[in-house]
Amino acid sequence: DAGVIQSPRHEVTEMGQEVTLRCKPISGHDYLFWYRQTMMRGLELLIYFNNNVPIDDSGMPEDRFSAKMPNASFSTLKIQPSEPRDSAVYFCASSLSGYLNTIYFGEGSWLTVV
Amino acid sequence: TQLLEQSPQFLSIQEGENLTVYCNSSSVFSSLQWYRQEPGEGPVLLVTVVTGGEVKKLKRLTFQFGDARKDSSLHITAAQPGDTGLYLCAGVSAGGTSYGKLTFGQGTILTVHP
Repeated sequence: DAGVIQSPRHEVTEMGQEVTLRCKPISGHDYLFWYRQTMMRGLELLIYFNNNVPIDDSGMPEDRFSAKMPNASFSTLKIQPSEPRDSAVYFCASSLSGYLNTIYFGEGSWLTVV
Repeated sequence: TQLLEQSPQFLSIQEGENLTVYCNSSSVFSSLQWYRQEPGEGPVLLVTVVTGGEVKKLKRLTFQFGDARKDSSLHITAAQPGDTGLYLCAGVSAGGTSYGKLTFGQGTILTVHP
């Protein structure tokens, strides 16, 4: 089975540009998570969805960040406008509902904002 | 806010040595997970410990959950170069709007030299 698929794997963009990160969760999984990883702050949960509905977006840093899940097989994380401090690895992850079910991470999108 | 502190942050050892990584919090978690992350990839779940005092073994890895469910440890016996990677602990929340939410520690970067 294919795992969580993210694109792009690497992106370098200029400050002020819009960035869109994409994620395809594992088929059948009803939870989808967006995480950000940096050396300074480690792995932080930005937002998660259950059955395509955002449940907790308290980790979204500010209004420049938005996430959508239009259907069960696709989600986007958008940053507009991007800033150098947004440079990080962004991970998408998915899981089945049920307490303690395994969360599967994608390979990450490496974002550099210059 | 629930925080998890991992120690040490960095560990560099020779093949065959033993090591222990610690994960501590002032908060109680319903369960705790350990992940391993290799460069360029997402974290992969190693184990989930649920019961206070629980000990789980995975080949040369031994995981322990503290009696009060506030701390955990990962012990590796006879480390091998293939064990090199970033080890992350994550506490699982059980209540209210944080149900199933993972809080990650900062991670321990382990390097095992041949």
